[in-house]
Amino acid sequence: SQQGEEDPQALSIQEGENATMNCSYKTSINNLQWYRQNSGRGLVHLILIRSNEREKHSGRLRVTLDTSKKSSSLLITASRAADTASYFCATSAGGTSYGKLTFGQGTILTVHP
Amino acid sequence: AAGVIQSPRHLIKEKRETATLKCYPIPRHDTVYWYQQGPGQDPQFLISFYEKMQSDKGSIPDRFSAQQFSDYHSELNMSSLELGDSALYFCASSLGRGSPETQYFGPGTRLLVL
Repeated sequence: SQQGEEDPQALSIQEGENATMNCSYKTSINNLQWYRQNSGRGLVHLILIRSNEREKHSGRLRVTLDTSKKSSSLLITASRAADTASYFCATSAGGTSYGKLTFGQGTILTVHP
Repeated sequence: AAGVIQSPRHLIKEKRETATLKCYPIPRHDTVYWYQQGPGQDPQFLISFYEKMQSDKGSIPDRFSAQQFSDYHSELNMSSLELGDSALYFCASSLGRGSPETQYFGPGTRLLVL
């Protein structure tokens, strides 16, 4: 990936457990978004956090952003088998980049029933 | 709610052939982005359009061209196809091109070059 790394690359947990995925990036950003992708399918937008925000919640999702460390984390609480997918962070630099997204390498999450 | 539509969903081509991928953004969305995702890779930005003008350009080969039409749909034209062009091609749309604007992705076109 041109932007950074996601950690871990793969995560396997049991239903009901929490899943935490981390994302690091290299350049200044305007916002960071998390997407979910089921095997070989489209990207589904999960949540967007702006560079001046530190934490955001949406249902079972909690996203944090630390611009000083250039990192973000996605927490999925009380995971379900249906959460099994790949999760990507994507950053937007703003300015002349006009919203293009730079993706991280993704974390493959497997939730066992 | 209406989503981004891409056609075709699957495409098989021979080397050196051409391919045209189409994208229909969400109604009222004026910005379209194209991304390429190789097997096991993260999506890579190719090109974007805002109000029918090219807005930004990424790692798009010279063999590829794209445009956005008056009805805001976009087409990605790929010529002299190579085996390495086999990938999932996503189109995304948003309202306005500045940040932060959520990009909504289509289901993708899976291109296989033989």
